Amino acid sequence: KAGVTQTPRYLIKTRGQQVTLSCSPISGHRSVSWYQQTPGQGLQFLFEYFSETQRNKGNFPGRFSGRQFSNSRSEMNVSTLELGDSALYLCASSISGTKNEKLFFGSGTQLSVL
Amino acid sequence: AQKITQTQPGMFVQEKEAVTLDCTYDTSDPSYGLFWYKQPSSGEMIFLIYQGSYDQQNATEGRYSLNFQKARKSANLVISASQLGDSAMYFCAMSPSGNQFYFGTGTSLTVIP
Repeated sequence: KAGVTQTPRYLIKTRGQQVTLSCSPISGHRSVSWYQQTPGQGLQFLFEYFSETQRNKGNFPGRFSGRQFSNSRSEMNVSTLELGDSALYLCASSISGTKNEKLFFGSGTQLSVL
Repeated sequence: AQKITQTQPGMFVQEKEAVTLDCTYDTSDPSYGLFWYKQPSSGEMIFLIYQGSYDQQNATEGRYSLNFQKARKSANLVISASQLGDSAMYFCAMSPSGNQFYFGTGTSLTVIP
């Protein structure tokens, strides 16, 4: 069974640009969540999607958005990039996103904003 | 408020020895899950072990065991018989409600040959 796949692996952008990251969950998993990891702030929850609906959102500005498609694949978009957006963005999937269900993570997308 | 605290930024252990990584948590939810993940330099977070707040026994998964002390709100990870491949960052996490995880700041473990 294939794991969680994130593309691209690395991205370099400049301030003001926008970026889209992609995540394909494990087959059969319907919940997809996104996390931002930085040396200063650690791992922070961005949002979670289930059946194309955002069910939960972390404390991030509106520049961070996402969506989920009918096949459970998810995309995350960051508009008007800032230097502080440089981070490892991790996508995770689970079967139904219920409480206490373990998450399966992808290898992440390393975003560098110059 | 939900909070996970890992007070050991870095740990060293001799190969084949056991090591304990500390984790304390704070939540007002009566039901929650505690998790440990390993993150090697490749970046992927690898699930190690899970403990439910109502589980009576400590969880074990191969060489990993979780020392769960509910009254003290601690969930320490014990790795027995350390191997060189265990060198990585280790994160304690909590899921008190929904599918949002709260992570600690991590502990960097180095296994010395």
